[in-house]
Amino acid sequence: KAGVTQTPRYLIKTRGQQVTLSCSPISGHRSVSWYQQTPGQGLQFLFEYFSETQRNKGNFPGRFSGRQFSNSRSEMNVSTLELGDSALYLCASSYNRDTGELFFGEGSRLTVL
Amino acid sequence: DQQVKQNSPSLSVQEGRISILNCDYTNSMFDYFLWYKKYPAEGPTFLISISSIKDKNEDGRFTVFLNKSAKHLSLHIVPSQPGDSAVYFCAATSFGNEKLTFGTGTRLTIIP
Repeated sequence: KAGVTQTPRYLIKTRGQQVTLSCSPISGHRSVSWYQQTPGQGLQFLFEYFSETQRNKGNFPGRFSGRQFSNSRSEMNVSTLELGDSALYLCASSYNRDTGELFFGEGSRLTVL
Repeated sequence: DQQVKQNSPSLSVQEGRISILNCDYTNSMFDYFLWYKKYPAEGPTFLISISSIKDKNEDGRFTVFLNKSAKHLSLHIVPSQPGDSAVYFCAATSFGNEKLTFGTGTRLTIIP
């Protein structure tokens, strides 16, 4: 069974630009969550989608948005990029929402110059 | 406000000895706790979990202990192996909630 796939793996943007990251969950998983990892901050929850509906949102500004498609694939978008948005963005999928066990992708490393 | 804290950024342990990683939480609503392991350039992988109705859960070399009154959990790895060198994240959630609250991680180095 293929794991969680994230694209692109690495990207460089400049301040003010916008970026879209993509995530394909494990087949059969309907829940997709996004996390931001920065040094010293651990993993910070961005949002969670289930059956195309946003179920949960973390404490990030409105520049961070996401969506989920009918095939469970998800995208997140960051507009008007700031230097502080440089981070590893991790997508995770799960089948059973009750356990909290998530399967993570390898992440998309965003560098903002 | 860091609701899940891992106060040791790093830990070095001799191969074959026991590794103990600690985690504290402040939110009383958390009732399910997980440990994830992360190698460089890879996503975190699930290691072991424990529900608040238990105080111990074992899986091979890995044991997680939960002390609800102290709001503290620990991960024991015995015996430690070189392949255990990684960053370990503690995470907490409420049952049925997809949102995990993570600690900042502890980098474990196993010395051969």
